[in-house]
Amino acid sequence: DAGVIQSPRHEVTEMGQEVTLRCKPISGHNSLFWYRQTMMRGLELLIYFNNNVPIDDSGMPEDRFSAKMPNASFSTLKIQPSEPRDSAVYFCASSSESGLGSTGELFFGEGSRLTVL
Amino acid sequence: AQSVTQLGSHVSVSEGALVLLRCNYSSSVPPYLFWYVQYPNQGLQLLLKYTSAATLVKGINGFEAEFKKSETSFHLTKPSAHMSDAAEYFCAVSVGKLIFGQGTELSVKP
Repeated sequence: DAGVIQSPRHEVTEMGQEVTLRCKPISGHNSLFWYRQTMMRGLELLIYFNNNVPIDDSGMPEDRFSAKMPNASFSTLKIQPSEPRDSAVYFCASSSESGLGSTGELFFGEGSRLTVL
Repeated sequence: AQSVTQLGSHVSVSEGALVLLRCNYSSSVPPYLFWYVQYPNQGLQLLLKYTSAATLVKGINGFEAEFKKSETSFHLTKPSAHMSDAAEYFCAVSVGKLIFGQGTELSVKP
């Protein structure tokens, strides 16, 4: 079975450029989560969707970040304009439960490593 | 606020030795607790979870964890470390929101 698929795996860009990260959740899962991982801050939940609807975006750092889920099989996380402090690994995860993984399991993708110069 | 604290950002053991990774939680209500593992350049995967059934939870790869309410702890153990256990381990708590600890990197020496 295919797991959560993220692209690109690595992205190097210059400050000010737009970055779009993509995620395909596991088929049949109805919740999707975007996390950011850095050495300083660890794993942070940015936003999560349930049935394609954004439920909680309180973790989105600022207006430069936006996320969409146009259908059940695709989500994007966009940063515009990007800044060096956005450099991190961004993970997408999906779950078959409607909550924030309260009793279930999150399935993570392999992550997108972003470097902003 | 609910949170987890992992004691020790780095733990090193010899192959065959006991693995003990510590996690304490704070929660005002009975929590759901998880241990996830992250191998280099990969995403996280679930090792085990506590959801208020048995207090001793067995997971994959020989790991287990014991929920101790009196100590607000959920430590992860494995009787005998293997080289392939080298990875980063995350404790997480969910009371409506999944919150991860800072992680503990486990090194296994031959």
